[in-house]
Amino acid sequence: QVHLVQSGAEVKKPGSSVKVSCKDSGGTFNTHVVSWVRQAPGHGLEWMGGIIPMFGSPNYAQKFQGRVSISADESSSTAYLELSSLRSEDTAVYYCARELHGFWDYWGQGTLVTVSS
Amino acid sequence: DIQMTQSPSSLSASVGDRVIISCRAGQNISNYLNWYQQMPGKAPKVLVYAASSLHTGAPSRFSGSGSGTDFSLTINSLQPEDFATYYCQQSYRNPRTFGQGTKLEIK
Repeated sequence: QVHLVQSGAEVKKPGSSVKVSCKDSGGTFNTHVVSWVRQAPGHGLEWMGGIIPMFGSPNYAQKFQGRVSISADESSSTAYLELSSLRSEDTAVYYCARELHGFWDYWGQGTLVTVSS
Repeated sequence: DIQMTQSPSSLSASVGDRVIISCRAGQNISNYLNWYQQMPGKAPKVLVYAASSLHTGAPSRFSGSGSGTDFSLTINSLQPEDFATYYCQQSYRNPRTFGQGTKLEIK
């Protein structure tokens, strides 16, 4: 049974970095793409990138290239999103989601990242 | 990037109504189109994938149609729990992109 559990809310200063984790307690997502999608307050959904934990080669949305790093630890069925050079516009809820045949069928509960001085 | 445009942005309807939400892709995406429902403060849930396939657990009053550039999500006989925001999303090519969302409100 897939169950994605994300790390807790974070408050960060502008210019700093944040690392969010996503653990599949069912331990089944290593062969699936795990994506990160964010949602700024009152806004829509935005895909940031994804990774297949078994293969370890991430894809990123060009908008975030150079600031984002997606990784995974197969042994613990955990994926990570790290975003650097944070600015106020990065304040958002960050979701991980497992991809199945082109759609996301399981989602984490979301992690609120607040960027504020 | 493939632009996805939904219409309308918001919609008021009553319980029992039939509503249709449209989604247009900026280029031909075949049937690589998914629909999600999002309740306030919750993660999205997939309703329809591959344009017209109903996801396991999604109520049968939801249906999707279309191919190429024009798609629609139909909700028959609206229920109170259907008042939410709906998003289309293309999985044809990276970056995956979403429509801006359609907020369905109670009239």
